[in-house]
Amino acid sequence: GAVVSQHPSWVICKSGTSVKIECRSLDFQATTMFWYRQFPKQSLMLMATSNEGSKATYEQGVEKDKFLINHASLTLSTLTVTSAHPEDSSFYICSAPRHHQSYEQYFGPGTRLTVT
Amino acid sequence: DAKTTQPNSMESNEEEPVHLPCNHSTISGTDYIHWYRQLPSQGPEYVIHGLTSNVNNRMASLAIAEDRKSSTLILHRATLRDAAVYYCILRVLIQGAQKLVFGQGTRLTINP
Repeated sequence: GAVVSQHPSWVICKSGTSVKIECRSLDFQATTMFWYRQFPKQSLMLMATSNEGSKATYEQGVEKDKFLINHASLTLSTLTVTSAHPEDSSFYICSAPRHHQSYEQYFGPGTRLTVT
Repeated sequence: DAKTTQPNSMESNEEEPVHLPCNHSTISGTDYIHWYRQLPSQGPEYVIHGLTSNVNNRMASLAIAEDRKSSTLILHRATLRDAAVYYCILRVLIQGAQKLVFGQGTRLTINP
């Protein structure tokens, strides 16, 4: 199956700083990637859709200026959490379908962010 | 957004079949029913999907009600590695994009 990687797998940062999370499709090109956030014992919440070559589409209630998404190439999307606060501590997961209309999405292993 | 309802948790024994139910009474005609599972501290993994007909693959079977308002994921012979949170998801078309809208999921515990 297709592989999606994320880097870093975990990160600790201080309140007020920014942190960048990378999502890569390793063996296929992804014109669309999705970013999710998951708090402990909760389900995944879709944050935004990352589109290669165009602006990301954010879900209602997600601050686009705080969660900057850049889909720089067909294999890389980045999520930057700006001015991080402790309440931003969460498990961030990306996913990508192999094709635009593919029924199956491949999820990355997730990045655990802890803001102190 | 289209929603699904699942039991919070279920328990079964190793090597026995497991039936995981899901209600999706607001499903529309074009919404596909997907199942993913998530092991602790990992990203979700695709299990199976369907539209109207029952489906089988190497991992599981999916039984879809005739009115499509409910479905059941069937693990024919559970193993300890099947312990995970199972999500029943509707793949919906929103503003031209296919999206997965996750519900709360069912935490499946397998007893040895």
